[in-house]
Amino acid sequence: GQNIDQPTEMTATEGAIVQINCTYQTSGFNGLFWYQQHAGEAPTFLSYNVLDGLEEKGRFSSFLSRSKGYSYLLLKELQMKDSASYLCAVRDREDSWGKFQFGAGTQVVVTP
Amino acid sequence: GAVVSQHPSWVICKSGTSVKIECRSLDFQATTMFWYRQFPKQSLMLMATSNEGSKATYEQGVEKDKFLINHASLTLSTLTVTSAHPEDSSFYICSATTGARHNEKLFFGSGTQLSVL
Repeated sequence: GQNIDQPTEMTATEGAIVQINCTYQTSGFNGLFWYQQHAGEAPTFLSYNVLDGLEEKGRFSSFLSRSKGYSYLLLKELQMKDSASYLCAVRDREDSWGKFQFGAGTQVVVTP
Repeated sequence: GAVVSQHPSWVICKSGTSVKIECRSLDFQATTMFWYRQFPKQSLMLMATSNEGSKATYEQGVEKDKFLINHASLTLSTLTVTSAHPEDSSFYICSATTGARHNEKLFFGSGTQLSVL
């Protein structure tokens, strides 16, 4: 079956760095995505990895190791508006539609 | 980026009634649309995958007769919750992708909060 694990909650202070880990075991792999979701809103795309290594995008970076089934999202220079749930999602290759499977999300709380 | 419009944003209905939720891709043709539901503080759970012009594929445990999905065109998919009950109250989100290439990300609608009384 599919299994995507990430911590439930993390707290950090404004200006700090937080790293959200995600481990996955899926029947196939066709890319790992990170989304940000504020309460009551739809998720918004943050980053994407399909090859091993680090992808940097401004204050956000994402890392992938396919052999370890592991990814992390790094948030630098935290701002209050970064308080949200961060979802790790894996696109599998069971079929040509490439279904996305989501982790339960990590609630990041940024304190002053 | 691509825009997915979802309506209504919220709906309150009586138990036993049916509710239709629309999902439209505004500036691209969505060959595939996905319907998710999300309970508070929980993950997005995939309900079904629909391809334009064909029957939807439902995930295990999702009743296809209760959650009717129609994807009649490349820009519109609808989810109808039939004979809704309080346990169907949830946040429903549609998403669309233009294809199956590895870098095709999901574009999400704004979600529909359904409350069944």
